[in-house]
Amino acid sequence: GENVEQHPSTLSVQEGDSAVIKCTYSDSASNYFPWYKQELGKRPQLIIDIRSNVGEKKDQRIAVTLNKTAKHFSLHITETQPEDSAVYFCAARGAGNMLTFGGGTRLMVKP
Amino acid sequence: SAVISQKPSRDICQRGTSLTIQCQVDSQVTMMFWYRQQPGQSLTLIATANQGSEATYESGFVIDKFPISRPNLTFSTLTVSNMSPEDSSIYLCSVAVERGYGYTFGSGTRLTVV
Repeated sequence: GENVEQHPSTLSVQEGDSAVIKCTYSDSASNYFPWYKQELGKRPQLIIDIRSNVGEKKDQRIAVTLNKTAKHFSLHITETQPEDSAVYFCAARGAGNMLTFGGGTRLMVKP
Repeated sequence: SAVISQKPSRDICQRGTSLTIQCQVDSQVTMMFWYRQQPGQSLTLIATANQGSEATYESGFVIDKFPISRPNLTFSTLTVSNMSPEDSSIYLCSVAVERGYGYTFGSGTRLTVV
């Protein structure tokens, strides 16, 4: 089955800096890659996603890039703010329309 | 996107008992998924619940322990049976909208087994 690796597990940045989180996946048939933000005690919230026919997608301060050949995708957050502090999960959709999640990245934005 | 109502939001249960978690969706969806999130960990898929057929369980999860019902396209239940403290976790349901994109989650059930 699909296996998703996510790095780093923790990331601390200064407010205003950029943050990058990287994920790799194993199943070349995976074709959909969402990113979720989870604040403490809350459900995961979809923040951006990318489909396999697109190499990059941007939504305001958030962007995602996908390299199908290398089987990796990344989340980029620019001009980070304290409210960006949360745990971020990448995921890949493979066979059976199931999402497989990475291990998560705890992002801390220091004011 | 779909709105999911999940309940209960939390419960404290005695070991050996069972708890049934419900998820109600405000639109018809083909596939519903049940996840477990242990404290400080990622989300692990328990099973996929399809209307009109048996649920499909992931490795490490069995029907006797986690029976699932899916009576229609808007509702599903997950039962955690014969609970032990190791079952203490957050359980979440999820659905895929937009023809398999835009997966969204219920608010979760925080289960503590004592």
